[in-house]
Amino acid sequence: DTGVSQDPRHKITKRGQNVTFRCDPISEHNRLYWYRQTLGQGPEFLTYFQNEAQLEKSRLLSDRFSAERPKGSFSTLEIQRTEQGDSAMYLCASSQSGASEGYTFGSGTRLTVV
Amino acid sequence: KQEVTQIPAALSVPEGENLVLNCSFTDSAIYNLQWFRQDPGKGLTSLLLIQSSQREQTSGRLNASLDKSSGRSTLYIAASQPGDSATYLCAVIRNYGQNFVFGPGTRLSVLP
Repeated sequence: DTGVSQDPRHKITKRGQNVTFRCDPISEHNRLYWYRQTLGQGPEFLTYFQNEAQLEKSRLLSDRFSAERPKGSFSTLEIQRTEQGDSAMYLCASSQSGASEGYTFGSGTRLTVV
Repeated sequence: KQEVTQIPAALSVPEGENLVLNCSFTDSAIYNLQWFRQDPGKGLTSLLLIQSSQREQTSGRLNASLDKSSGRSTLYIAASQPGDSATYLCAVIRNYGQNFVFGPGTRLSVLP
């Protein structure tokens, strides 16, 4: 297990389409986080899971966004009816047993809505 | 609400110089602070993690310090190299919280 994997690396979609991203965390990490990053800004928190439970959601996570982690392993982030404002880098991170361990980030999925 | 700022927003230095990047946060009640590096179009690579009980951490040419009472952290890079060119982000976890709050980053260019 070499780190956090995200798929796809890049996604171009037409406005109004649905998209789904996948994140595979480090296997022994029980916490998984989703962040969004727009150009020139730091990442903004979207949501996080401990095992399969979604424990916190940001107000940035509108009703068009849904995230799941059904078996406490990989996670998916779905965006319905995409808008041009959804264009961003979507980053996934994982950690183990609390914040003292720090985060390990994946390489991200870059979404472009045209 | 925790806010994190980083100064300068961009920095350009000749190769070999020592440099300091600054990070400030408004709520001193943090659990830990982490410095990351981000290359263009890429994800984040962890550089150094400082727990709230620690004052500094070192890794190779990098040294990060933390002063909780003043709400500040610095990242010192010694003998900079062109390969250090990237955006450097600091992030803090608030007490009893589980998600990091990030600063906007400092974009560093090291010229050969």
